Amino acid sequence: GDSVTQMEGPVTLSEEAFLTINCTYTATGYPSLFWYVQYPGEGLQLLLKATKADDKGSNKGFEATYRKETTSFHLEKGSVQVSDSAVYFCVTQGGSEKLVFGKGTKLTVNP
Amino acid sequence: AAGVIQSPRHLIKEKRETATLKCYPIPRHDTVYWYQQGPGQDPQFLISFYEKMQSDKGSIPDRFSAQQFSDYHSELNMSSLELGDSALYFCASSQKETQYFGPGTRLLVL
Repeated sequence: GDSVTQMEGPVTLSEEAFLTINCTYTATGYPSLFWYVQYPGEGLQLLLKATKADDKGSNKGFEATYRKETTSFHLEKGSVQVSDSAVYFCVTQGGSEKLVFGKGTKLTVNP
Repeated sequence: AAGVIQSPRHLIKEKRETATLKCYPIPRHDTVYWYQQGPGQDPQFLISFYEKMQSDKGSIPDRFSAQQFSDYHSELNMSSLELGDSALYFCASSQKETQYFGPGTRLLVL
């Protein structure tokens, strides 16, 4: 079945630092790829998505590019803020439509 | 914009009791999904419904059942609760491929 492997956390950065969270996937066919974010004590929010190879998803300064050749969907942000502290999930969606989540990466940004 | 509504937000039950969780999808969304997130874990897919019919099934225990009603809301029924059922239960709805999640129901089994 589909699976997602993402960078293990926790990740601690200073404000304005560059963020990369690595994510690779295995799936049959051409899945859609997502990053969801979970802020402390809250539910899951869609951060960005890409539905085909070479698509770049972006939102709130975060970006991720669907790389079919490396089966990757790494999340990046040029300058993180304290408010970005959360758990980030890389997610794949195959033909069955159910979402398959990575283990999550906890990000803490210090002022 | 309207979001997915889940009720109750918090629920405390004792072992062997039953619980019913409710989900109201975003208007005009025809598909509902249920996920379970244990403490410190990633969400795991339980079951989904499209147009009131079960469309996919994941790692849902036989003690659990779910259905989608004519108004598209869905209920997850959990019987013979066990301590290990303590988790955050998310409902998500979609019209095409993107799933939008509700705030979750936090179930604690004592």
